[in-house]
Amino acid sequence: ETGVTQTPRHLVMGMTNKKSLKCEQHLGHNAMYWYKQSAKKPLELMFVYSLEERVENNSVPSRFSPECPNSSHLFLHLHTLQPEDSALYLCASSQTDDSGKGTQYFGPGTRLTVL
Amino acid sequence: AQTVTQSQPEMSVQEAETVTLSCTYDTSESDYYLFWYKQPPSRQMILVIRQEAYKQQNATENRFSVNFQKAAKSFSLKISDSQLGDAAMYFCAYRSAAGSGGGADGLTFGKGTHLIIQP
Repeated sequence: ETGVTQTPRHLVMGMTNKKSLKCEQHLGHNAMYWYKQSAKKPLELMFVYSLEERVENNSVPSRFSPECPNSSHLFLHLHTLQPEDSALYLCASSQTDDSGKGTQYFGPGTRLTVL
Repeated sequence: AQTVTQSQPEMSVQEAETVTLSCTYDTSESDYYLFWYKQPPSRQMILVIRQEAYKQQNATENRFSVNFQKAAKSFSLKISDSQLGDAAMYFCAYRSAAGSGGGADGLTFGKGTHLIIQP
């Protein structure tokens, strides 16, 4: 595998379910990100992890719970979601030093539908 | 807070022609990065081109080039010799170079421009 991978690619869940999204980066980066892409809205930053420490939580509801066990893996745990949480969830990674020039590389996304 | 504005929801161009996508941004910072990303129907977000604000020279990548006007806070993308594979959503994005994230700052995106290539 190369680049940034995300599983599953599609997920349908009920409002009472608990599920997790997984992201893995194979680029040797030290920062990872979750973004939400809803219809007709700009991409919204949700969480940022740098060196496995959360550095930003963009006022995201507590029904979304991130986890970063190491610099290559990032999870987004979901529970008691609402239909308005249906969206494309994108993971990205970057290198925090100047060698990365601030560039973030994205995974293919998980299309989440909450019934 | 920074904002990014893409005023063209949709653009159409004939194959082999040139098209320019507009982007303006608002910031009080002097050091930052600007990006254009492409999102085809597969939804994979692909980096097209990057510009560092301290560099006066406009970035180019093959058929893609930017017109970076720092004083005007404008960052347009020019696609030359348009090809059918260029059809996608194009997003302009901003990232602080000296934010509070220690190098792990999030991107601020515009709403995107849907580019249609006419054969």
